[in-house]
Amino acid sequence: AQKITQTQPGMFVQEKEAVTLDCTYDTSDQSYGLFWYKQPSSGEMIFLIYQGSYDEQNATEGRYSLNFQKARKSANLVISASQLGDSAMYFCAMRVPMYSGGGADGLTFGKGTHLIIQP
Amino acid sequence: GAVVSQHPSWVICKSGTSVKIECRSLDFQATTMFWYRQFPKQSLMLMATSNEGSKATYEQGVEKDKFLINHASLTLSTLTVTSAHPEDSSFYICSARDVFGPRDTEAFFGQGTRLTVV
Repeated sequence: AQKITQTQPGMFVQEKEAVTLDCTYDTSDQSYGLFWYKQPSSGEMIFLIYQGSYDEQNATEGRYSLNFQKARKSANLVISASQLGDSAMYFCAMRVPMYSGGGADGLTFGKGTHLIIQP
Repeated sequence: GAVVSQHPSWVICKSGTSVKIECRSLDFQATTMFWYRQFPKQSLMLMATSNEGSKATYEQGVEKDKFLINHASLTLSTLTVTSAHPEDSSFYICSARDVFGPRDTEAFFGQGTRLTVV
C-alpha cells in the first residue's frame, strides 16, 4: 500500500518569499510517480509538477521545482517568489503503476497543505 | 492540451433520489477514468477506476451498488449516486490520462461536482 504524508496543515508566507511544502511517501515499489496539485477554493485540481522515480534530475516547471530525495522518500515542492495567487490547498500524490503492483493506477493523495500568501 | 470536462458543477437533490455525474475527455480517448471523493477540508480519496467496456473496479469500502459507474465510450464515464442520502454530500471529481499523448504521465482532472443531498 502507498502512503503520502504532508505534515504542514497550513502555512503563512510573505509575498515574494520562497516556499517549501513538505511531502514524504511510503512505497515498496521501485517504479512510481510523484505529483503536486494545486486546488484553489473553486475546487479544480491544477497539475503543477511530476517526478518519476527513475528521473535522475529534479523536475522543474517555471516557479515550481520538486526537491526529490529518493533515499529519504521525500518530494518537497518549492515555489520560488511566491505570489498572492499561489494561495490555495496543495496536494502531494503518488501513483504506482499497476504493472508494478499498484492496485488501481489511480493517485494516492496526502492530506494537503493550506498555503496562504500574505501581502 | 488534454481537457477533462465534468458536469454538472454542482447539484442539490432530495434524499432518496439518484444523481448522475458525467465526465468527458474532450480531445483524447480515455480507456480508463478515475472517480474521487473529497469531503470538506479533507483529501481526495479514490473511489473507483472506470474501465471502458468493462466493469469498474471499486476501492475497499466503496459500495458498488450505491455508486454506479458506466464507461460506455472512450470519452465518457458516468457516476450515478443512487438513493442519495445527506452523508453522500461531497465533492466528486474525475480524472483521466491521455496515455498516448505527450503528457502521458499527468492525470487531468475535471472541474468537480459539488453534491448536496437535502
